[in-house]
Amino acid sequence: EAGVAQSPRYKIIEKRQSVAFWCNPISGHATLYWYQQILGQGPKLLIQFQNNGVVDDSQLPKDRFSAERLKGVDSTLKIQPAKLEDSAVYLCASSKDSFNYGYTFGSGTRLTVV
Amino acid sequence: AQKITQTQPGMFVQEKEAVTLDCTYDTSDQSYGLFWYKQPSSGEMIFLIYQGSYDEQNATEGRYSLNFQKARKSANLVISASQLGDSAMYFCAMRPTPGTASKLTFGTGTRLQVTL
Repeated sequence: EAGVAQSPRYKIIEKRQSVAFWCNPISGHATLYWYQQILGQGPKLLIQFQNNGVVDDSQLPKDRFSAERLKGVDSTLKIQPAKLEDSAVYLCASSKDSFNYGYTFGSGTRLTVV
Repeated sequence: AQKITQTQPGMFVQEKEAVTLDCTYDTSDQSYGLFWYKQPSSGEMIFLIYQGSYDEQNATEGRYSLNFQKARKSANLVISASQLGDSAMYFCAMRPTPGTASKLTFGTGTRLQVTL
């Protein structure tokens, strides 16, 4: 079974620029999550999709962050304009809705805003 | 709301020794699940072990076991016979409401360093 794919692996941008991250979940996984992990902290949920509908985006800074999941498969997370404090690892995860086994995470995208 | 507390920023253990990583949690949910993840320097989050709040026996997965004390709201991870490859960040996490794909809430993590 292929894992959760994310790209790019690394990205360096200047503040006020825009950036987009892509995630392809495990086939058949209905639920997709984007997490932000700032250095030295645990991951924090940004947005949760169930198929192509948003379940929870309460911690997504909507003035600059947006996310979509077209056709209930791939997802894109965008930041526009980026701020220095957006420097973090952005992790995508998916799950089958099986409660017991947690999620499967991708390798993440490390974003540096300079 | 759920809260996870990991009070050990860093731990050292000698190879082949056992180590316990602490985790306490707070929740008003009656039913929930507790998880431990490993994050090596490469960045991916690797699922290690799961414990349901109604499970009477502590979960075990190979060298990993979860010491679950519900009354104390603690879910400590025990790694037996530590190996150099166990050096990584370890995160405790929880999610409420069984049967739905609800969100995981993570602690701040413990960095484990295994020495020779």
